[in-house]
Order: sequence, then structure tokens, then C-alpha cells
Amino acid sequence: GAVVSQHPSRVICKSGTSVKIECRSLDFQATTMFWYRQFPKQSLMLMATSNEGSKATYEQGVEKDKFLINHASLTLSTLTVTSAHPEDSSFYICSASPTSSYNEQFFGPGTRLTVL
Amino acid sequence: AQSVTQPDIHITVSEGASLELRCNYSYGATPYLFWYVQSPGQGLQLLLKYFSGDTLVQGIKGFEAEFKRSQSSFNLRKPSVHWSDAAEYFCAVVGEYGQNFVFGPGTRLSVLP
Repeated sequence: GAVVSQHPSRVICKSGTSVKIECRSLDFQATTMFWYRQFPKQSLMLMATSNEGSKATYEQGVEKDKFLINHASLTLSTLTVTSAHPEDSSFYICSASPTSSYNEQFFGPGTRLTVL
Repeated sequence: AQSVTQPDIHITVSEGASLELRCNYSYGATPYLFWYVQSPGQGLQLLLKYFSGDTLVQGIKGFEAEFKRSQSSFNLRKPSVHWSDAAEYFCAVVGEYGQNFVFGPGTRLSVLP
């Protein structure tokens, strides 16, 4: 149980385009979902926290207009990277916190974004 | 705010040798502690977690960790390392009321044949 999926696993896009990444909790409901960014050989950096039905809370330094987060249901959150640039290339990981166990997070497999 | 340090950036051990990865945390109240492993290009896999109770926690793949409140530590151990254990290991802490996870910088483990 407690499986989180991400789609796509890899995406390559041209500079200036937008990319949407989906995060789904497959067998549990998640009130809260989190989006992380990971640069090569570095730790995970929290970008934003999203609660179902409300606006996401962004960490300092993360542009909310560039990284649009939607958490429309208890099993789905999306991250849209708008007007992507090469410096947005990174590994994006989502996690979901079950409504029954808010201290835990279950992580998705990550999405590798490459912006040309 | 909570913080996590992992003093060792990179550790190399021989296959079959014992392993200890260090993790120190800073948090004013009751911490919830986790160890994750990440293979290159992959997501995070939970090895074990500590919420309360027995301070020696058993995890998957033969790993264990010991919570020592007096030392603010949660070190990960394995008695005999396998080549497949080579990966990046992250310690994380979250507050008892489910505040954000804080990850340590990670320790990269290399295993010599």
C-alpha cells in the first residue's frame, strides 16, 4: 500500500513551453501533497506544500507564477512549469501525506525534466 | 525550525563490512525520524522510521537505526553491506504535528567488491 505515482517519468521540452507533471496517490487519500526539486548530487529541496482544495504554500524563493500547483482532489496534484528555461531542468519529486497519518510522506518515483 | 546534518558526504566500505551512517537532528519537541535510500535517477525508498517506543528500529534490507535523544542522533547501521546497497542515503525529520519534512544533505555510499 501507500503508492505514489508520477507522470511522466521523463520529459524533454523546448525553452518557453509549459510542462505539467502529475502526482497521484494510488491507494490512499492525501490531504497534503508536497513538491520537491533535486539538483544532481544534492538533497531534496521543498518547493511547495499543497492542500486539497486550497492554494499551495510556496517556500521562499520559489516563484509561484512559474511553478503552478493544483491539488484538485485527494488523490491528484499537478505541478506545471510555465515558460520553462534550461535552468528549470531538474529532478522533480512529489510526495503525499495520508489523511490518516500526517507525519508520514510517501514519495513518487520522480520526474526528470530537461529543457532544451 | 528543525534541521538535519549528515556529517559524512561520501563513505566507501568493502562488501561484507559493517556500515554506520550518521545523522544528527535539531528539533525542540518530539521528532519523527526517517531514513530513505535513493538509487541514481530514482525516487526515495523508505528504509525505516522512528515515531516512538523502542529506540532501536528495524527496517528493510537488513538496516536498523538507533534513536538517541541525548545525542540528538539517529544513526543507520547494517552489519554486512552488499554491493547493491551502493546509493544515496537521506535522513529526514518531521515535527509531531506533521510540519514539513527536512532532509539532510545525504551520504553517498560506495561499496568495493
